[in-house]
Amino acid sequence: NAGVTQTPKFQVLKTGQSMTLQCAQDMNHNSMYWYRQDPGMGLRLIYYSASEGTTDKGEVPNGYNVSRLNKREFSLRLESAAPSQTSVYFCASSEVWTVNTEAFFGQGTRLTVV
Amino acid sequence: ILNVEQSPQSLHVQEGDSTNFTCSFPSSNFYALHWYRWETAKSPEALFVMTLNGDEKKKGRISATLNTKEGYSYLYIKGSQPEDSATYLCAFNAGGTSYGKLTFGQGTILTVHP
Repeated sequence: NAGVTQTPKFQVLKTGQSMTLQCAQDMNHNSMYWYRQDPGMGLRLIYYSASEGTTDKGEVPNGYNVSRLNKREFSLRLESAAPSQTSVYFCASSEVWTVNTEAFFGQGTRLTVV
Repeated sequence: ILNVEQSPQSLHVQEGDSTNFTCSFPSSNFYALHWYRWETAKSPEALFVMTLNGDEKKKGRISATLNTKEGYSYLYIKGSQPEDSATYLCAFNAGGTSYGKLTFGQGTILTVHP
């Protein structure tokens, strides 16, 4: 079972470059999330999509945009990368309409902006 | 921004010790409280999803309790082993207008020394 698949696994960008992180899940989940992980900060929510067709800002949305392309796919775009966006990015999905549901995570994307 | 706090930030114990951590969350608009275990270089994996006040869950040597009225959850590990070394995260799923939003605490880093 693939679960949640993120691409790429590693990326180095120059300041000002743009890129899109891709995420796909095959569990038919309604909700999808993008988090960033920085030392001592846990997981901070960038954007989430409670269901297909909706997206909402999390704690740290500045500098990012998202697209919920369909029920399976949720992409995160950095329009003009900055060194402060150097981080590890995790995509996750869950079935929000069922109460006892856990989130499943992708393997992470390690992004360095130089 | 939903405030989800975990304590302590880090913990060092000897093999065989029992230990516990705390997660504090808003006591209003409660929907669910999740616990995750996160090993270095891997993705977080769910331990428990708790929904009812007074819930107690157990998986092997790990157990968790939930108090939604006062807004806290405890995670207990009995007889810690070196393989329990990981970061333990809690996540709060709020209802109302934040339905579907999963907000994480900053985590407790547990190191178990042989």
